[in-house]
Amino acid sequence: GQQLNQSPQSMFIQEGEDVSMNCTSSSIFNTWLWYKQEPGEGPVLLIALYKAGELTSNGRLTAQFGITRKDSFLNISASIPSDVGIYFCAGQLGSGNTGKLIFGQGTTLQVKP
Amino acid sequence: KAGVTQTPRYLIKTRGQQVTLSCSPISGHRSVSWYQQTPGQGLQFLFEYFSETQRNKGNFPGRFSGRQFSNSRSEMNVSTLELGDSALYLCASSYNQGALSYEQYFGPGTRLTVT
Repeated sequence: GQQLNQSPQSMFIQEGEDVSMNCTSSSIFNTWLWYKQEPGEGPVLLIALYKAGELTSNGRLTAQFGITRKDSFLNISASIPSDVGIYFCAGQLGSGNTGKLIFGQGTTLQVKP
Repeated sequence: KAGVTQTPRYLIKTRGQQVTLSCSPISGHRSVSWYQQTPGQGLQFLFEYFSETQRNKGNFPGRFSGRQFSNSRSEMNVSTLELGDSALYLCASSYNQGALSYEQYFGPGTRLTVT
């Protein structure tokens, strides 16, 4: 099935470092969402983006909706051990695709205390 | 406000059997979407229901079906189970009105193992 290209696949960083991950696609998306998933749980919504160029923050997390509407990035500043998990980007193509999200492959983040 | 709930959390079935999974959305949410998550394919969209009608469908065989009730609760059914159906099945609900239409909130999932 169709997927977004998310990178990097995994990251192993030191506590306190900043993290950046991104998603790209050949298709134009109306909405970008970023989720975090921990073992045994469903994805938890972190940030939602609705307009091209939009920059939104949620605590130490910042995400942007790319100008071309084909990409998005997520930054985590000053990482802490509880940031460990798998981060997914998800996009919605358009009004005819309501309720259907297309997901990236995920970025696995590990933080060394 | 309670989150999305899914039952059962874990299920073991045998090839050829059928299974029904249940999802209760966040109160006030009218849209329910279902996803399959596997290590190989990641998160794949199955279908979406809104006001008891299937509004969108992913690329899965007809063995996968669903329905939504008048209280927005949803069920999905998989008939004639195959080994490859082993996965985490996730349900997500959304408010689906105005600018918040596309914010989907996920339940904890049902882990299905087919032997």
